[in-house]
Amino acid sequence: GDSVTQMEGPVTLSEEAFLTINCTYTATGYPSLFWYVQYPGEGLQLLLKATKADDKGSNKGFEATYRKETTSFHLEKGSVQVSDSAVYFCALRGDTGRRALTFGSGTRLQVQP
Amino acid sequence: GAGVSQSPSNKVTEKGKDVELRCDPISGHTALYWYRQSLGQGLEFLIYFQGNSAPDKSGLPSDRFSAERTGGSVSTLTIQRTQQEDSAVYLCASSLRAGRDTEAFFGQGTRLTVV
Repeated sequence: GDSVTQMEGPVTLSEEAFLTINCTYTATGYPSLFWYVQYPGEGLQLLLKATKADDKGSNKGFEATYRKETTSFHLEKGSVQVSDSAVYFCALRGDTGRRALTFGSGTRLQVQP
Repeated sequence: GAGVSQSPSNKVTEKGKDVELRCDPISGHTALYWYRQSLGQGLEFLIYFQGNSAPDKSGLPSDRFSAERTGGSVSTLTIQRTQQEDSAVYLCASSLRAGRDTEAFFGQGTRLTVV
């Protein structure tokens, strides 16, 4: 079945540091890939998505590129802020079988001033 | 409504009691999902409804768990004879349709504590 693997956290960075959160997936067919973010005390919200190979999703300075050859969708940001502190979830929805999102275990990011 | 609404936001129950959790999806959304988020864990899929199709119940952890969606809108997740391991945040999400690129919108969740 479909699965998503994320790097374990927590990730602790200083403000303005470069961020990478690794995400790899296993799925049949051609899934769509998503990053969701959960800020403290808030619900999950979509950060960005990509629906086909080589697509780049971007939002709020975050980017992720759909790499089918490496089955990856790594999240990057060039300069993190304290306000980016949150839990980040990589997810996929396949084009066959189950149509619900399959999530990774989440990566907690803590940005220090 | 403006977003996915879940109630109650918090529920404390005694072991062995039954609980019902409610989800009001965004109006017009045909797909509805339930997930469970345990402390420090990722999101565990429970059940998925799409329109009038038979629900995908493949994620329900035991027969103590059931869910229904009435009139294609409101959904209720029922846990019978609750156990301490059922303690978690139960999240509901909805999406406009079931397409693979469709965004899912999440509610704030119901925090269930079984004592």
